[in-house]
Amino acid sequence: GAGVSQSPRYKVAKRGQDVALRCDPISGHVSLFWYQQALGQGPEFLTYFQNEAQLDKSGLPSDRFFAERPEGSVSTLKIQRTQQEDSAVYLCASSPTRQGAYSGANVLTFGAGSRLTVL
Amino acid sequence: AQSVTQLGSHVSVSEGALVLLRCNYSSSVPPYLFWYVQYPNQGLQLLLKYTSAATLVKGINGFEAEFKKSETSFHLTKPSAHMSDAAEYFCAVFRNSGGYQKVTFGTGTKLQVIP
Repeated sequence: GAGVSQSPRYKVAKRGQDVALRCDPISGHVSLFWYQQALGQGPEFLTYFQNEAQLDKSGLPSDRFFAERPEGSVSTLKIQRTQQEDSAVYLCASSPTRQGAYSGANVLTFGAGSRLTVL
Repeated sequence: AQSVTQLGSHVSVSEGALVLLRCNYSSSVPPYLFWYVQYPNQGLQLLLKYTSAATLVKGINGFEAEFKKSETSFHLTKPSAHMSDAAEYFCAVFRNSGGYQKVTFGTGTKLQVIP
């Protein structure tokens, strides 16, 4: 597609529910990132995929958070047993090449985000 | 580790006045630096990027930023603010981590433009 598409745009969950957030990156983009943006804060890194391989998941806050990209295109971020502190906007971004250490400043294209509110 | 610090979480300017949003970076080597803008309920949009080709970088919507190594700064400016510039602005740096480049964002500066 023309841009990075995320769904749902808004999700309200009761505490303890599981949620799944979807990201459709730009077609052919190799790299995919998930970020969490709490209210009034900058985006914080969650995880990075290069094609289907999850190369870095160091930013996932707990083992309740799980991300996958099985075919190297669409990615899903799953949060199990949601807590109130999980309320945030979850941003997905993609870039056309791998984010190698010396690959230069590849620009990330961001989706509009999925706003999760946990009651 | 490479990071960025944005001074001032809120900045107010009058329409037509100079916009100056401050960003300082922490890096032992010349970094790749970015400014992104986020309009309400939208994703992040790239304004401009510094990749060492030129110290003065021009971006979209009349914004520009100057890389000053001596001050470790990458401040964002615009000569004349428009109402449509009201948004949140994020400075960001690419950081090498585990063999790949990870983008680290500052905490953001919300720009208010007063008519």
